[in-house]
Amino acid sequence: QEQLVQSGAEVKKPGASVRVSCKASGYTFTSYYVHWVRQAPGQGLEWMGIINPSYGDTNYAQRIQGRVTMTRDTSTNTVYMDLSSLKSEDTAVYYCAREDKFCSPTTCYIYLDVWGEGTTVTVSS
Amino acid sequence: DFQMTQSPSSLSASVGGRVTITCRASQTISIYLNWYQQKPGKAPKLLIFAASSLQSGVPSRFSGSGSGTDFTLTISNLQPEDVATYYCQQSYNTPQLTFGGGTKVELK
Repeated sequence: QEQLVQSGAEVKKPGASVRVSCKASGYTFTSYYVHWVRQAPGQGLEWMGIINPSYGDTNYAQRIQGRVTMTRDTSTNTVYMDLSSLKSEDTAVYYCAREDKFCSPTTCYIYLDVWGEGTTVTVSS
Repeated sequence: DFQMTQSPSSLSASVGGRVTITCRASQTISIYLNWYQQKPGKAPKLLIFAASSLQSGVPSRFSGSGSGTDFTLTISNLQPEDVATYYCQQSYNTPQLTFGGGTKVELK
């Protein structure tokens, strides 16, 4: 079945960097964009960015632009999210999610239909 | 910047009851609006896309309506397994998505 499997929990010190991976299976990796969404403890969902696994082009949320990099490896069907200069406010569960769409004759409506299980990143001195 | 405002932030209802959650967009977004359910410790799950289309496998007691700036998620015949937090999300400003603040649904 279609699924996204993420890497394990991380504990990092302020100022360090973290890499979270997201491995896709059960579908054609290059046919679906992948988004990253994070959730701080007790808080709501925050969109971080998107990567096109086919060409590798990206778009990031302005709030974290300059600190985030999303890449992909088509040989392993894996996308990566790197976040640098970590702060305590980056403590969160990080999710990857597949974008799918429903198209009418005039437009397409996108949504996130397959989610990874989440990766907890804790930033603490 | 797009803002998505949900209300209420929490509510309690009885099993078998009806729940209504509203979501308001800061700008008109046609029907580019999705709803997700998130249970504690789990990833969000897609319920409704394009404002009113039910995702495959989602029970028919969930329904969505609205267009423009005002949207509603309704749960009829509330079940114990519906205890969760619900989020709306706009996709009008794709690729940049925006989520609402969430509505926590509990049993009375």
